[in-house]
Amino acid sequence: DIQLAQSPSFLSASVGDRVTITCRASQDISNYLAWYQQKPGEAPKLLIYDVFTLQRGVPSRFSGGGSGTEFTLTISGLQAEDFATYFCQQLNVYPLNFGGGTKVEIK
Amino acid sequence: QVQMVQSGAEVKKPGSSVKVSCKGSGHTFSSYAINWVRQAPGQGPEWMGRIIPISGTSDHAQNFKGRVSFTADKSTNTAYMELRSLRSEDTAVYYCTRLPNWGSGAFDVWGQGTMLTVSS
Repeated sequence: DIQLAQSPSFLSASVGDRVTITCRASQDISNYLAWYQQKPGEAPKLLIYDVFTLQRGVPSRFSGGGSGTEFTLTISGLQAEDFATYFCQQLNVYPLNFGGGTKVEIK
Repeated sequence: QVQMVQSGAEVKKPGSSVKVSCKGSGHTFSSYAINWVRQAPGQGPEWMGRIIPISGTSDHAQNFKGRVSFTADKSTNTAYMELRSLRSEDTAVYYCTRLPNWGSGAFDVWGQGTMLTVSS
C-alpha cells in the first residue's frame, strides 16, 4: 500500500496569509494526487485533482503542485472560510489512501 | 442537481451487520465507480472499497478481510454497503462517493454521510 505523510499536521495562520501544506508519498504516484477540504460535520470537498487541476467552482487562491512523491497545496491569501482540515489522497493504485490531514486554524 | 443521498444513522450491537444505501441522482450512475469511505471520530478518511455498477465488479481494502460487501441496483441508481461482524472500532461516519470510470478525476460528489454507532 502507498502511504501519504502530510505536514504540518496543524497550522495556525491569519486571514491574508499564504500557507503551504506538503504531502509525501511512500512511492511514485505519477500525477494522481487530489486535495480535499473538510469542515466539521461535513463531507470532504474536492479542491484539486491530478496534482494541479482546480475542481469547478473552487477559488483560484487554491493551487497544487509537485510530482512523483512530493506534492503541495498552497492557499494564497487565506480567507475566513478556509479554516478547515485538508487531506491529500493518491489515486494511482488501490487502496486509494488518504493522508493524515492538516488542520488550519485561526491565529 | 448531482447528488448522492445516503440512508440514516444506525445504532448496532457488536457482532451484528449494517447495510447502508446511497442513491445517486442527476448524473449517469453507470459512468462512475461508487466508492465507500469511512471516518472514525477525530480521524482521517479511510477508503473501504468500491463497486463499478455497470459491471458489478467490486473490491475492498484488506483491512476489512471479507467483512464488507458492495452491491448496486442500476435500475434505481442505488449502491449498498454491508458491513458484518461489527465491532466498536467500526463506529464512524460512512460516506459514499463517486469516481469516473474513465479519464482523470477524484471523489467529486459525496453523500451526506451515515453515522454508525456500534455499542452494546
